[in-house]
Amino acid sequence: EDQVTQSPEALRLQEGESSSLNCSYTVSGLRGLFWYRQDPGKGPEFLFTLYSAGEEKEKERLKATLTKKESFLHITAPKPEDSATYLCAVQPLDSGSRLTFGEGTQLTVNP
Amino acid sequence: GAGVSQSPSNKVTEKGKDVELRCDPISGHTALYWYRQSLGQGLEFLIYFQGNSAPDKSGLPSDRFSAERTGGSVSTLTIQRTQQEDSAVYLCASSLGAGSGEQFFGPGTRLTVL
Repeated sequence: EDQVTQSPEALRLQEGESSSLNCSYTVSGLRGLFWYRQDPGKGPEFLFTLYSAGEEKEKERLKATLTKKESFLHITAPKPEDSATYLCAVQPLDSGSRLTFGEGTQLTVNP
Repeated sequence: GAGVSQSPSNKVTEKGKDVELRCDPISGHTALYWYRQSLGQGLEFLIYFQGNSAPDKSGLPSDRFSAERTGGSVSTLTIQRTQQEDSAVYLCASSLGAGSGEQFFGPGTRLTVL
């Protein structure tokens, strides 16, 4: 059974304090791994797609990396506007288009 | 351009009643998905439509749940004889085509079953 586990469940940072969020996954074969951001009361917003181990993607203060068992979302010098829940999802090879999501990491960045 | 829209934004119903939730995907997107997000839990896949192909219903939790997509655009998720455990946020997403993990989500419908 496909499984996605995110840690920590919640993370509180001071503005400018860099950190990383973890996404561990178990799938029979990986088509892609996705990171989304979700603000309260809104639907998730797409951030990154990673397809193979060693791949990295960057966007502003965020960088996503992928290994064969986990992905990291690195946040460099975060700002309060980066506060949100970050969701990781995997798309297995045999899944068609369905995504399996983790429960998310709730990030709070204090000014 | 317009994003994915969903209606209603909130729905309160009594146990045993039927509800219909509506989703308008992004124009030109051929794939449409329904997910459910319960408090403190991750998104749970419900159903997926791609063009004129038969939908992937493998995530529907029971036969009380059904969905249709008319004309390859608007979709309706119907829950019959609602139960309290159906209370959740129901999210719709669309994407350009099959296999795309870059899905664009609507704001969701918060369903509360009393």
